[in-house]
Amino acid sequence: KAGVTQTPRYLIKTRGQQVTLSCSPISGHRSVSWYQQTPGQGLQFLFEYFSETQRNKGNFPGRFSGRQFSNSRSEMNVSTLELGDSALYLCATRLAGDYEQYFGPGTRLTVT
Amino acid sequence: GENVEQHPSTLSVQEGDSAVIKCTYSDSASNYFPWYKQELGKRPQLIIDIRSNVGEKKDQRIAVTLNKTAKHFSLHITETQPEDSAVYFCAAEGGTSYGKLTFGQGTILTVHP
Repeated sequence: KAGVTQTPRYLIKTRGQQVTLSCSPISGHRSVSWYQQTPGQGLQFLFEYFSETQRNKGNFPGRFSGRQFSNSRSEMNVSTLELGDSALYLCATRLAGDYEQYFGPGTRLTVT
Repeated sequence: GENVEQHPSTLSVQEGDSAVIKCTYSDSASNYFPWYKQELGKRPQLIIDIRSNVGEKKDQRIAVTLNKTAKHFSLHITETQPEDSAVYFCAAEGGTSYGKLTFGQGTILTVHP
């Protein structure tokens, strides 16, 4: 069974631009959570989607948004990029009703 | 909201020794406690987890214990090997935060041959 995939793997953007990241879950997994990982703040929860609905949201500004499609693939968008948005963005997926979350390889975003 | 504290931040052991990493959580409604291992440049990998109705769980050289009264849980690695060197994260989930893992700050484990 294929694992969680994320695209692109690396991205360099300029301040003020916007970016869209994609996450394809393991087959059958309908829940997708997004996390931001930085050396200073560690792993922080952004939001979680299930059946195209956002069920939970972390403490991030409205510039961070996401969505989920009917095939469970999810995207997250960051608008008006700031230098502090430079981070590894990870998605994690799981089966409905289960707890175990499996992470993708992440997208390394650098904002210059 | 939930807060997870993890100690120590760095841990250095000799090959064959045991390693223990401890975490405390604040939300008594939390009921799921996973541990992840992250090697440099790689994704976090789930290595073991425990649910609130269980006090201890073991998988070969790795074990996790949970004390719900004290709100703390620990990871125990026995007979450490150099390939155990990585960053280990504890996390908690539960209550109204389904789908949201709150992570500890991580422990850099170094196993010297």
